[in-house]
This record gives sequence, structure tokens and C-alpha cells, in this order.
Amino acid sequence: AQSVAQPEDQVNVAEGNPLTVKCTYSVSGNPYLFWYVQYPNRGLQFLLKYITGDNLVKGSYGFEAEFNKSQTSFHLKKPSALVSDSALYFCAVRDMRGGSYIPTFGRGTSLIVHP
Amino acid sequence: DVKVTQSSRYLVKRTGEKVFLECVQDMDHENMFWYRQDPGLGLRLIYFSYDVKMKEKGDIPEGYSVSREKKERFSLILESASTNQTSMYLCASSPPAYEQYFGPGTRLTVT
Repeated sequence: AQSVAQPEDQVNVAEGNPLTVKCTYSVSGNPYLFWYVQYPNRGLQFLLKYITGDNLVKGSYGFEAEFNKSQTSFHLKKPSALVSDSALYFCAVRDMRGGSYIPTFGRGTSLIVHP
Repeated sequence: DVKVTQSSRYLVKRTGEKVFLECVQDMDHENMFWYRQDPGLGLRLIYFSYDVKMKEKGDIPEGYSVSREKKERFSLILESASTNQTSMYLCASSPPAYEQYFGPGTRLTVT
């Protein structure tokens, strides 16, 4: 089975500084990788995905993610953090279950951006 | 824009009641999902459906059932609610193999 790991429960960063939220994956074959964000008391929102091609993927709200095959990582990044980026972030990988492709999610990382 | 709606944002039920959580999507997606989300446990898949009248168990199906009579609607049923089913319930839909679109969630409290 495919899996992802988010090694940090919480990441703290000052507003204006660059941020990184880490994700590593374990797959057989080529990975389909996703990042989602969840604001308080809301559902998850899709941010970006990697399927193939360029290792640097750009997504919504100024976020980007770098696919690194040798390190089996897909870290989420943003050059300059905003207080409004404070949220829960989930990494996910496409898996196969019961003949269908469905995602497997990481446990989530809480990002706190301090003013 | 894709829209996934859930019938209630907040719900309070008593132990032993039968509870229905409804989810509707407007993008003709084949796949629909029900998750529960608890602090420290992330998202856990309860059931998913890849077609009308088709369903597959997820990781924690015990105490739940689902119904998908129409493509746009996927219902989660708690046959006899218990306090350990107090949680945030999230519905999602997607085309096969691609990103999911989530509803706003239903926070269910069972007393």
C-alpha cells in the first residue's frame, strides 16, 4: 500500500519568513501526490498536485511543492508566510483499494504563523 | 466551481438514535467518500463509493452504513448512534484518480 508521512505535528514560523511543511512518501511505481489545506471548522481544500513533469509544482495562494524522487519527499513551501496561512495541512498519495484509486492521507501538520 | 454540500454543519443527537448525514455534489463525479476527523488521528475513511449503488468499506466502517441511490448523493447512516461517534464528518467527491473536493463538514455530537 502507498503511504505518506508528515513528520511534524506543528510548524511555527514568523510572518514574512519562508515556510516549509514536510511530507515523505512510500509508493510502488510513480506517485500521484497532493496537498490540501483545512482552515478552522471547514472542509479540506485542494492546494496542488504532482503527477508527472516539472518537479516544482505551483498551486493556490502562493504555495508550491517540490517533488524529490531521490529523497522520496514532497515538501510544501511558500516564500513569505502570512498569518492567514495558519491552518492544518495534509499531504496525500493516490492509492489503489478495491479496484479504485483513492487517496491515503498523512496525519496533518498544524502551521502557525506568528505576527 | 465544484460544490459539495452537507445537510448540516452542526448536529446533536441522543445515544441510540438513527442518524442520517447527507452529502450532495454538483460535478457529476464518480467517486464519493465519507471520512471522520478526530484530533490527533487525522482523516479516517469510513466508506467510499465509485458508482451508483456501489460501495466499499474504508478503514473504520463498524457502526456505519451508506447509501448511494443517485450519482450526486451519498448518505452516511449511523444505525444506533453512540457517544464514541461524536466527531467531525467530512464528505468528498472526485473524478477517478484525481483530487478530492470536500464539503464543509458536519460536527456531530452524540449525548
